[in-house]
Amino acid sequence: GAVVSQHPSWVICKSGTSVKIECRSLDFQATTMFWYRQFPKQSLMLMATSNEGSKATYEQGVEKDKFLINHASLTLSTLTVTSAHPEDSSFYICSARDGGRETDTQYFGPGTRLTVL
Amino acid sequence: GQNIDQPTEMTATEGAIVQINCTYQTSGFNGLFWYQQHAGEAPTFLSYNVLDGLEEKGRFSSFLSRSKGYSYLLLKELQMKDSASYLCAVLDSNYQLIWGAGTKLIIKP
Repeated sequence: GAVVSQHPSWVICKSGTSVKIECRSLDFQATTMFWYRQFPKQSLMLMATSNEGSKATYEQGVEKDKFLINHASLTLSTLTVTSAHPEDSSFYICSARDGGRETDTQYFGPGTRLTVL
Repeated sequence: GQNIDQPTEMTATEGAIVQINCTYQTSGFNGLFWYQQHAGEAPTFLSYNVLDGLEEKGRFSSFLSRSKGYSYLLLKELQMKDSASYLCAVLDSNYQLIWGAGTKLIIKP
């Protein structure tokens, strides 16, 4: 149980285009999902916390107009990187909190590697 | 401020035992997690401790002392596939997950 999928696994796009990444909890309902970014050999950096049916909470320094998050259902959250630039190239990872379990464990999707040319 | 410390890198031998320590100073405590992350992949959940003591799960065990702000992850019978980064994370009073920088574990034959 507690499987989180992420799509696509990798994407290459041209500078200036927008990219949408989907995060799905497959066997549980996730009232809260998280979006992280990780640059090579660095720690996970929390970008935003997404609660179903409400606006996402962004971490300091993360542009909410650039990284659009939508959590329209209990099993799906999307991150759209708008007008992507080469510096946005990174490994984007979502996680979902299984609110039905006793712990507040976050389960991670496999990640999306974004390369902006 | 909130702080989680763990060694940057450790080296161990295949078949041996290794202990990865984590100390934390956070605003409140609602549990401590250990995750494993292989290079280029997302983290995978290993363990969760909220009460003091040792939790054993196969070759991996995790220990917590809340009074000392300390945890360790113990890996036994090391295998080459255990080469990865091990991330310590604490759930604070706001239920925010505070991440350590991770410990890169290198296993040598």
